[in-house]
Amino acid sequence: DAGVTQSPTHLIKTRGQQVTLRCSPKSGHDTVSWYQQALGQGPQFIFQYYEEEERQRGNFPDRFSGHQFPNYSSELNVNALLLGDSALYLCASSFRGAGANVLTFGAGSRLTVL
Amino acid sequence: EDKVVQSPLSLVVHEGDTVTLNCSYEVTNFRSLLWYKQEKKAPTFLFMLTSSGIEKKSGRLSSILDKKELFSILNITATQTGDSAIYLCAVIHSFGAQKLVFGQGTRLTINP
Repeated sequence: DAGVTQSPTHLIKTRGQQVTLRCSPKSGHDTVSWYQQALGQGPQFIFQYYEEEERQRGNFPDRFSGHQFPNYSSELNVNALLLGDSALYLCASSFRGAGANVLTFGAGSRLTVL
Repeated sequence: EDKVVQSPLSLVVHEGDTVTLNCSYEVTNFRSLLWYKQEKKAPTFLFMLTSSGIEKKSGRLSSILDKKELFSILNITATQTGDSAIYLCAVIHSFGAQKLVFGQGTRLTINP
């Protein structure tokens, strides 16, 4: 049973570029959340998708956007990259119907902005 | 603003020692507190605590929640080098879409 898979694992971009990160949730999960983890910090909530809609958003600018597809997979898009966007981006999935609080995390995508 | 503070930020001990990691929180409509272990990238779930005073235990790890004083501790006894990791504490609200608020983590290093 595959867990949460994310791609790419590493990528390097330059300031001003745009990036798309992808996430496939664990089998049976229907909710996807995205977190940003800067070096030496805990993960920070970006937003969550359920039924292909953004349900809740953290304190991140509109440069951060997302999408959820009918198969529950999700994308995180970041436009006009800044140096401060360099971080590990974690995707987490859960099953909303069970009211589960326990998220299953993927291994993340390490973004470096030069 | 919701806040989760972990201490210490970093801890180095010898194999076999016992360690206690701390997590305090200020959250509106508190629902649960969770502990995760992050070794390389993906945080892995350890415990979820909802009720005060009830210890959760898994092998050499245990955790307890105090909802009156707004803190939790994670204990690891007879530490092993494989326990070296970042330990993350997170809280979740009663309402809302399963959003976790994390602390900054405690980096634990176990020396042989």
